[in-house]
Amino acid sequence: DIQLTQSPSFLSASVGDRVTITCRASQGISSFLAWYQQKPGKAPKLLIYAASTLQSGVPSRFSGSGSGTEFTLTISSLQPEDFATYYCQQLNSYPWTFGQGTKVEIK
Amino acid sequence: EVQLVESGGGLVQPGGSLRLSCAVSGFTFSSYWMSWVRQAPGKGLEWVATIKQDGSEKYYVDSVKGRFTISRDNAKNSLYLQMNSLRAEDTAVYYCARDWIGYCSSTSCYDAFDIWGQGTMVTVSS
Repeated sequence: DIQLTQSPSFLSASVGDRVTITCRASQGISSFLAWYQQKPGKAPKLLIYAASTLQSGVPSRFSGSGSGTEFTLTISSLQPEDFATYYCQQLNSYPWTFGQGTKVEIK
Repeated sequence: EVQLVESGGGLVQPGGSLRLSCAVSGFTFSSYWMSWVRQAPGKGLEWVATIKQDGSEKYYVDSVKGRFTISRDNAKNSLYLQMNSLRAEDTAVYYCARDWIGYCSSTSCYDAFDIWGQGTMVTVSS
């Protein structure tokens, strides 16, 4: 099974900060990676697919990059509504797996 | 409006069974792969199962193989998860999700879960 390791697991930041979350895969997954945002008590929301393609309706301050085993999600200027938990997911091969999550909290 | 609505969750004893349903509206259900994802209380997301448009292919995480069965009824626009031999570790919110292909290059298609239901809670406890 492909393991995804996100870092950091917790992140404290201020509004306006640039935030970067890393997702490392235990083996190469090309660009078969998606990023989701989840707020407490809510379903996840798709942000990025194919590692770097922004989902329709998602603000352009979100961006994704990477290929193979290392990927990043960047929020260029953190907004109050961005405080949430972020997950990466690999869709290269079954069983599909998620990273353990990165919780972005207000500093 | 595109919508996924789960139902069927509840409290069940260890070893018991439960059938979750996901009612779909707002898109052509029969055109999409569909999946179940779960989230234990205070934990991360775990993919559970996926089914092809016509039900001919099904995939499961190892921890539920032989106990859970994913199915669908395209005439009823509904997705199901039959859960048998339930264990305490199956306690979670269960989400259904649409597996959507974002785009295809010359060699590969890139998908993701673009639509999610609100989730239904399953608690396995005596």
